[in-house]
Amino acid sequence: ELKVEQNPLFLSMQEGKNYTIYCNYSTTSDRLYWYRQDPGKSLESLFVLLSNGAVKQEGRLMASLDTKARLSTLHITAAVHDLSATYFCAVAPSGGSNYKLTFGKGTLLTVNP
Amino acid sequence: KAGVTQTPRYLIKTRGQQVTLSCSPISGHRSVSWYQQTPGQGLQFLFEYFSETQRNKGNFPGRFSGRQFSNSRSEMNVSTLELGDSALYLCASSPGGVKDEQYFGPGTRLTVT
Repeated sequence: ELKVEQNPLFLSMQEGKNYTIYCNYSTTSDRLYWYRQDPGKSLESLFVLLSNGAVKQEGRLMASLDTKARLSTLHITAAVHDLSATYFCAVAPSGGSNYKLTFGKGTLLTVNP
Repeated sequence: KAGVTQTPRYLIKTRGQQVTLSCSPISGHRSVSWYQQTPGQGLQFLFEYFSETQRNKGNFPGRFSGRQFSNSRSEMNVSTLELGDSALYLCASSPGGVKDEQYFGPGTRLTVT
């Protein structure tokens, strides 16, 4: 059974600081997704990582994938308050289908002024 | 292109009742997946339908069922509601290929009293 572990689960940081969220998974995968969720809202797709070594960047967020280590990271650079949200990683196992994603528990990020 | 829509957005039911939730996918998408989100268990896969057939199912009791219509719209039904069924129910649509990205709807917030 595929397991996905995110850490930390809670992250409080000051504006302007950098931090990294980690996503470990237990079985082989070549597809990993990062989502953002604001309170009471749905999931917004941030990044799709499809191969080993993939790196994607959007604004102050950068995601990477190491399939050999079964690890993805979401790096936040110079955080701003607008980034406060819950971030999820989700994994589809190799040979599996996207429609059965296994999600991490989520990281609740609070950016303080 | 219109996004995924879900109705109703909010619902309050009593234990023992049943409920039906609806999801309309993005035009042209043939796959609809359902997820349950609770604070304790996080996001969990319920089932997925493609061309009116259930392709995959998560580990939920038989009280949870679904169907898909010829226009790709999907419904999920929960019978004999329990307090623990209170959750945000998200549906996601995709074109239907195993590597296609899913797009999530706004969710239906179900409260069971």
